[in-house]
Amino acid sequence: NAGVTQTPKFQVLKTGQSMTLQCAQDMNHNSMYWYRQDPGMGLRLIYYSASEGTTDKGEVPNGYNVSRLNKREFSLRLESAAPSQTSVYFCASIQRGGGYEQYFGPGTRLTVT
Amino acid sequence: GENVEQHPSTLSVQEGDSAVIKCTYSDSASNYFPWYKQELGKRPQLIIDIRSNVGEKKDQRIAVTLNKTAKHFSLHITETQPEDSAVYFCAASKANAGNMLTFGGGTRLMVKP
Repeated sequence: NAGVTQTPKFQVLKTGQSMTLQCAQDMNHNSMYWYRQDPGMGLRLIYYSASEGTTDKGEVPNGYNVSRLNKREFSLRLESAAPSQTSVYFCASIQRGGGYEQYFGPGTRLTVT
Repeated sequence: GENVEQHPSTLSVQEGDSAVIKCTYSDSASNYFPWYKQELGKRPQLIIDIRSNVGEKKDQRIAVTLNKTAKHFSLHITETQPEDSAVYFCAASKANAGNMLTFGGGTRLMVKP
């Protein structure tokens, strides 16, 4: 199993450009998450999808949209990138709710100039 | 919402000494408390977790303790080794739809040989 995969690994955008970060998991997990990690800080939840067909806002959703395309894939879209969105983005998945390990992807390092 | 505070932000120990990292949480309904280790440029990886019906859990050199009354939990690493050097994050979540993790700000542990 590849686990949780993310593309791209690195991306540089100009202010105002848009892009979609892709995440896929092959563990048949129900719930998926998008976090951002700013330098020297912990992870903050952007959006999550408790199950296929549902999405909900996390702590810092402004400026982002998500799509749970199917059980495997959960994408994060920046419609108009801003320098404040420069960060490392991690996708994670979990088999079911109630205290089970979240498996993280390798991350996407995004720089907005 | 949940708030998790983590201390200290940096910790330097001599190889072979013990290290202790402490976290407090605000939501008494939280019932799952994982600890993640993140090496530079890598994804967070779960090292140990504890659920609210347990007071202590050990895994070789790593242990976690939980005090539900005081709403705090701690990570203990004994006989530290240089490869323990990393950033450690605590987190808290509760068993409901979403199982969202709220992370502490992280502790940079440096083990000096």
